[in-house]
Amino acid sequence: DQQVKQNSPSLSVQEGRISILNCDYTNSMFDYFLWYKKYPAEGPTFLISISSIKDKNEDGRFTVFLNKSAKHLSLHIVPSQPGDSAVYFCAADMYSGGGADGLTFGKGTHLIIQP
Amino acid sequence: NAGVTQTPKFRILKIGQSMTLQCTQDMNHNYMYWYRQDPGMGLKLIYYSVGAGITDKGEVPNGYNVSRSTTEDFPLRLELAAPSQTSVYFCASSYSGKGQFFGPGTRLTVL
Repeated sequence: DQQVKQNSPSLSVQEGRISILNCDYTNSMFDYFLWYKKYPAEGPTFLISISSIKDKNEDGRFTVFLNKSAKHLSLHIVPSQPGDSAVYFCAADMYSGGGADGLTFGKGTHLIIQP
Repeated sequence: NAGVTQTPKFRILKIGQSMTLQCTQDMNHNYMYWYRQDPGMGLKLIYYSVGAGITDKGEVPNGYNVSRSTTEDFPLRLELAAPSQTSVYFCASSYSGKGQFFGPGTRLTVL
């Protein structure tokens, strides 16, 4: 049973527009959420995170929103750039990111930025 | 800093063979992890370690073994390779669990 779900395998967005990637989770014990970006033949790289005590975290062009009641989070990228084309993984953790026992990942969304 | 390094990058094994995937980090992180990623799937945790001498099973540990004799190294051992172990293997490390740093991966094919 998937505890972290990314229901869109792929998303195509025009350069300069907003990209919105969605993630849902089922385990109410998760209290820390992360987004990773992955290029082909490379390992995932950490992008941005959010604790469950917040509903928004912003870092430059990237903003993550968390709706705890809906068990839903989203990553907004504004404006989208060609270098943003990659696979984005949503991940979740328990114990406020103490994370000793690893992360639970979604299947990923392939974001394609079109010129 | 090299970060997290993994060797080899690619490997083809025959069924029943064994091998060790190497992982080294130079960031003095206590926590280290092994994940596998199958095509079209997310990463799944195989084993993790919270420090030298301490290891524990993740979600999919069957067919694998690990050891952690030093802070820097966390090798993953496959004893009897099976086609179901064909995957990309990622090693990761972290200081506090927040924002794990990943290696470039090892692509393993078992035929």
